[in-house]
Amino acid sequence: DTGVSQDPRHKITKRGQNVTFRCDPISEHNRLYWYRQTLGQGPEFLTYFQNEAQLEKSRLLSDRFSAERPKGSFSTLEIQRTEQGDSAMYLCASSLVKTSNEQFFGPGTRLTVL
Amino acid sequence: QKEVEQNSGPLSVPEGAIASLNCTYSDRVSQSFFWYRQYSGKSPELIMSIYSNGDKEDGRFTAQLNKASQYVSLLIRDSQPSDSATYLCAVNMRSGYALNFGKGTSLLVTP
Repeated sequence: DTGVSQDPRHKITKRGQNVTFRCDPISEHNRLYWYRQTLGQGPEFLTYFQNEAQLEKSRLLSDRFSAERPKGSFSTLEIQRTEQGDSAMYLCASSLVKTSNEQFFGPGTRLTVL
Repeated sequence: QKEVEQNSGPLSVPEGAIASLNCTYSDRVSQSFFWYRQYSGKSPELIMSIYSNGDKEDGRFTAQLNKASQYVSLLIRDSQPSDSATYLCAVNMRSGYALNFGKGTSLLVTP
């Protein structure tokens, strides 16, 4: 079991560009979550999937953000027309239905929008 | 009122002492409570989960839950310098599975 992995680990982009992040959950974990964390704050929930179904989206998730989990395994988070305020650590977590929602985080993708 | 509140600290304790970290939450229907440890520049690491009132012990860590008071705490016994980190309290959202996090408490264990 290799844990949750995320790619890339760092991304620097210019304002207005689109970026896409990938998350591979722990094998057999059927729930996958995306959070965003800025300096001095706790992670903020963005969205989550159970298998391939996106079951909940935060009000924080503007129309520029979209997430997919097409085959119920890995997930992608895309941000279109990035803004400086999108600069943050984007965290992915996964959990197994049987384990009462214990969520395990990946290393995160740090996004810097110039 | 923020849904999950923690004292930001820093909380400084000497090596070998007990560190006590506290968290309050606003939603009475919350059922799942978690403590995560986060080192600077790293992602959160799950250290404790608790679901029912009372104490739950795991090694040097004890989580305490009081749903009537909407209060959850983490005790770290025999604190070590390697315990120096930010500790995040997380509570499940009313909708079910997503977590609400506090801002975290910074713990510094001095040799």
